[in-house]
Amino acid sequence: NAGVMQNPRHLVRRRGQEARLRCSPMKGHSHVYWYRQLPEEGLKFMVYLQKENIIDESGMPKERFSAEFPKEGPSILRIQQVVRGDSAAYFCASSDNRFSGNTIYFGEGSWLTVV
Amino acid sequence: RKEVEQDPGPFNVPEGATVAFNCTYSNSASQSFFWYRQDCRKEPKLLMSVYSSGNEDGRFTAQLNRASQYISLLIRDSKLSDSATYLCVGGDSGGYQKVTFGIGTKLQVIP
Repeated sequence: NAGVMQNPRHLVRRRGQEARLRCSPMKGHSHVYWYRQLPEEGLKFMVYLQKENIIDESGMPKERFSAEFPKEGPSILRIQQVVRGDSAAYFCASSDNRFSGNTIYFGEGSWLTVV
Repeated sequence: RKEVEQDPGPFNVPEGATVAFNCTYSNSASQSFFWYRQDCRKEPKLLMSVYSSGNEDGRFTAQLNRASQYISLLIRDSKLSDSATYLCVGGDSGGYQKVTFGIGTKLQVIP
């Protein structure tokens, strides 16, 4: 049973380019969460999605960031016009119901470097 | 004030030592608490849940003190493989959006 799959694992973008990070949840999971971990900082909640719905995006920056979880295919976190401050590890997690701590599983993360 | 605060460390301890981490939380409505472990450049993984009565899993003991609003993690007989960052997690009951991760406490076990 495959776990949460994220790709790419590492991504390098120049300032002003777009970054697309993909996440396939664990089989049977319909809830997806995105977290960002800046260097030397803790995990910060960004967005919570279910299929075709954004449930809570209170942690998303107001501009340049968007997320989707289409009916078919992986969830995508999109960052437009990247800046150096976007360099971070982006973790996707999934669960089979609303997060209760012990039922959330993380992907291995996507490391974005903006040069 | 951060919702969940931890001493980032690092804690450098010799193999076989006992080490304890504390984590304070500011939201008195927080109901669920957990410890996650994160290895360098890896994803966080659940280590253990924290119950009001305290709970133990092998060499690991977690405790919750609601009056003082802190949780603790005790590791006995430290192994080299325990070297990692330990993340404290607090959340409202069923409130994913209120789940907050601490910055993590880095532990380095030295031979």
